Amino acid sequence: DVQLVESGGGLVKPGRSLRLSCAASGFTFSTHAMNWVRQAPGRGLEWVSSISDDSDYIYHAESVKGRFTISRDNAKNSLYLQMNSLRAEDTAVYYCVASRWYFGSVYWGQGTLVTVSS
Amino acid sequence: DIVLTQSPGTLSLSPGERATLSCRANQSVSSTYLAWFQQKPGQAPRLLIYDASIRATGIPDRFGGSGSGTDFTLTISRLEPEDFAVYYCHQYGSSPTFGQGTRLEIK
Repeated sequence: DVQLVESGGGLVKPGRSLRLSCAASGFTFSTHAMNWVRQAPGRGLEWVSSISDDSDYIYHAESVKGRFTISRDNAKNSLYLQMNSLRAEDTAVYYCVASRWYFGSVYWGQGTLVTVSS
Repeated sequence: DIVLTQSPGTLSLSPGERATLSCRANQSVSSTYLAWFQQKPGQAPRLLIYDASIRATGIPDRFGGSGSGTDFTLTISRLEPEDFAVYYCHQYGSSPTFGQGTRLEIK
């Protein structure tokens, strides 16, 4: 079975940092692009960051550019999101998403909650 | 960035009825890189449609997607009780974006 398990969420003060991890299993991690998508409480989905299968291409939403960094380790089947200078508006459930659109292969984790509050 | 606007915001229908959900982009979506997701409370989204019209694995054929360019539609031919949820369109070209969602509720 495909599994994407996020970890690293929690309560953090504004201006501090947090690192999210996502452990993947049950599919060929190295052939999928990986993404972070977030959802603020009671709100819609917001794309945050993407990284290509070989890490050659990295994209971040304007709202997090310069503060968040996405990375992956194909040897460990793991995805990461380093979040610096956190703001209250970054409060959300962060989902790890694997995508290989050509084949319609898209998998979501269950999400990890990040709360930024003093 | 491509802005996706979904309509209506809320759709109230009864089981057995047909649902038509719209997603309009402010500029052309490249190569029909348009998907639809379904999300139920407390759950992660589930892929229904990709490339505008291709059903994902395991998705019932009552779900159908159509459109190109800037106008896309998700149609659910006959609503089942489990179809009442929030639906999001998503363009997955460079700089991906989501629509704001359409809530499909039981009338």
